Amino acid sequence: GAGVSQSPSNKVTEKGKDVELRCDPISGHTALYWYRQSLGQGLEFLIYFQGNSAPDKSGLPSDRFSAERTGGSVSTLTIQRTQQEDSAVYLCASSLATATATNEKLFFGSGTQLSVL
Amino acid sequence: SQQGEEDPQALSIQEGENATMNCSYKTSINNLQWYRQNSGRGLVHLILIRSNEREKHSGRLRVTLDTSKKSSSLLITASRAADTASYFCATDGGGSNYKLTFGKGTLLTVNP
Repeated sequence: GAGVSQSPSNKVTEKGKDVELRCDPISGHTALYWYRQSLGQGLEFLIYFQGNSAPDKSGLPSDRFSAERTGGSVSTLTIQRTQQEDSAVYLCASSLATATATNEKLFFGSGTQLSVL
Repeated sequence: SQQGEEDPQALSIQEGENATMNCSYKTSINNLQWYRQNSGRGLVHLILIRSNEREKHSGRLRVTLDTSKKSSSLLITASRAADTASYFCATDGGGSNYKLTFGKGTLLTVNP
């Protein structure tokens, strides 16, 4: 597709279960971000992938959160032992930015609404 | 932590009026970007201004940047009901720190 695709669009899970959220970035985009947005709040940075460099994981809120990016393309955000406070919209974005060309806009997916009961 | 902070948190105006939103940030930057969000889902890029630029226009949008004050403003002229949305500024950390962080946004309501 032409845009960033996220799946599922909605996920309802029980407290304590693990969830996987998927992001398909725009083909050729080297940079990929995960953000989290709670109701009525701003975007909280979670993790940033840039090409083959080690990801910037400084925004992950706990060790229950992890993310991978396979083959420089698809990314999966995994939340283990989900808690109610994990409920939020999880947004993925990609861009053409590289280490030497940083002035690039982000293209966002429509997000995954995660509800932990 | 938030790098940019938008002001005001909420703004309500009548159609045809101009809307001004401000963004303050803390560190040096390479560029500053403004995004729009409808219905709490994906954000859409509006405009990017580089640190060596002071003003930029795109249609009804005008963005200014004052690096000495670490602030930016977004002006929407002749607003329309369809401009109702949340608006966010995003900044990188300057230098080789190109990770984009977002403020909490300004909720703009344009009344018909």
